[in-house]
Amino acid sequence: GNSVTQMEGPVTLSEEAFLTINCTYTATGYPSLFWYVQYPGEGLQLLLKATKADDKGSNKGFEATYRKETTSFHLEKGSVQVSDSAVYFCALGPGGYQKVTFGTGTKLQVIP
Amino acid sequence: NAGVTQTPKFQVLKTGQSMTLQCAQDMNHEYMSWYRQDPGMGLRLIHYSVGAGITDQGEVPNGYNVSRSTTEDFPLRLLSAAPSQTSVYFCASRPPSGTTGELFFGEGSRLTVL
Repeated sequence: GNSVTQMEGPVTLSEEAFLTINCTYTATGYPSLFWYVQYPGEGLQLLLKATKADDKGSNKGFEATYRKETTSFHLEKGSVQVSDSAVYFCALGPGGYQKVTFGTGTKLQVIP
Repeated sequence: NAGVTQTPKFQVLKTGQSMTLQCAQDMNHEYMSWYRQDPGMGLRLIHYSVGAGITDQGEVPNGYNVSRSTTEDFPLRLLSAAPSQTSVYFCASRPPSGTTGELFFGEGSRLTVL
């Protein structure tokens, strides 16, 4: 079946540091890939997505590239801010009404 | 736009009590689902529905019931609460098939079973 593996947290960074959160997946076919973010006390919201190989999703300074050859979708940001402190979930979705599979989440804490 | 609305936000139950978590969306989404979020386990799908009158089980359906009488509402029922059901519950909806599958989440309902 489908699965998503992402790096365990928590990740603690100083403001303006470079962020990478690793995500790899196992899936049949050609899934869409997502990063969701969960701020404290809130529900998840879509951060970015990519629907086919070599697509790059980007939003709010975050980027991730759909790498079919390495089955990866790593999240990166060049300079993190305190306001980026949240839990980040990698997910894959075959599309349509099929199930969306989530990783276990990576907590990011950015300190001033 | 209200999006996905969940109630209550917090609830404490005793073992064996029953309750219903409410979920409503105003985006005319056909697909609705319930997830539970537990530390170290990410989000696990409990039940989902692809339209009014149609429901199906997810990964962890035991102890939960759902129904879908309207497009807007998708309540989750705990018939006899157990401490193992202590969790944060999220309702999520999605536009029709053929889209890329983005889910829209409610703010969550934190349930504690004593």
